[in-house]
Amino acid sequence: QLQLQESGPGLVRPSETLSLTCTVSGDSITRTNYYWGWIRQPPGKGLEWIGSISYSGITYSGSTHYNPSLKSRGTVSVDTSKNQFSLRLSSVTAADTAVYYCALEKYDGSGILPPFDLWGQGTLVSVSS
Amino acid sequence: SYILTQPPSVSVAPGKTARFTCGGDNIETKSVHWYQQKPGQAPVLVIHHDSDRPSGIPERFSGSNSGNTATLTISRVEAGDEADYYCQVWHAISDHRVFGGGTKLTVL
Repeated sequence: QLQLQESGPGLVRPSETLSLTCTVSGDSITRTNYYWGWIRQPPGKGLEWIGSISYSGITYSGSTHYNPSLKSRGTVSVDTSKNQFSLRLSSVTAADTAVYYCALEKYDGSGILPPFDLWGQGTLVSVSS
Repeated sequence: SYILTQPPSVSVAPGKTARFTCGGDNIETKSVHWYQQKPGQAPVLVIHHDSDRPSGIPERFSGSNSGNTATLTISRVEAGDEADYYCQVWHAISDHRVFGGGTKLTVL
């Protein structure tokens, strides 16, 4: 069945770029009704949506949306050849220390965005020198 | 940006009913989703589109949405329900997803 698995460094230095990958297994990342997203959770705090990407049927370009609180530091992209999607977060600080989850929204064409009904297990990223 | 407000904690005795509120401006016009998160685990969807239950979620879990408040209700609370509960909506104007701050359920 469809599964998501995050991977990436557990430690990133301040001011550098955090890079994480989510590997999708059990289905194609090019399904047009799927929205792939990243959510994070700082230790002891709540969930924060980072950004999402969807496939237009032709390409993934121009189909991303981000939380404005990131101040344009985040980029979500897809590698269709590897069936993976990724997150890059630039100029990180200690405030970016969190468990990062990748997740899936399966759009049904109703005009209302569905919930995140599939999540990866999460990966802890610490920002420290 | 759209803001969802949840009380930080709710306490209830086993067998009683727990209610979690999620406040937002005219939230009744949005579709509200609820997640349960136990320590060290990823969130699990327990209610979607205000009041629909995913398969495998007990009937004890129900949801409603009216005015400026959406509510998740857990009937006949069990010790295993102890967790954090988050509401979430899609803010269509900006195409952004928004989470509430979460409510911690303590089963007394």
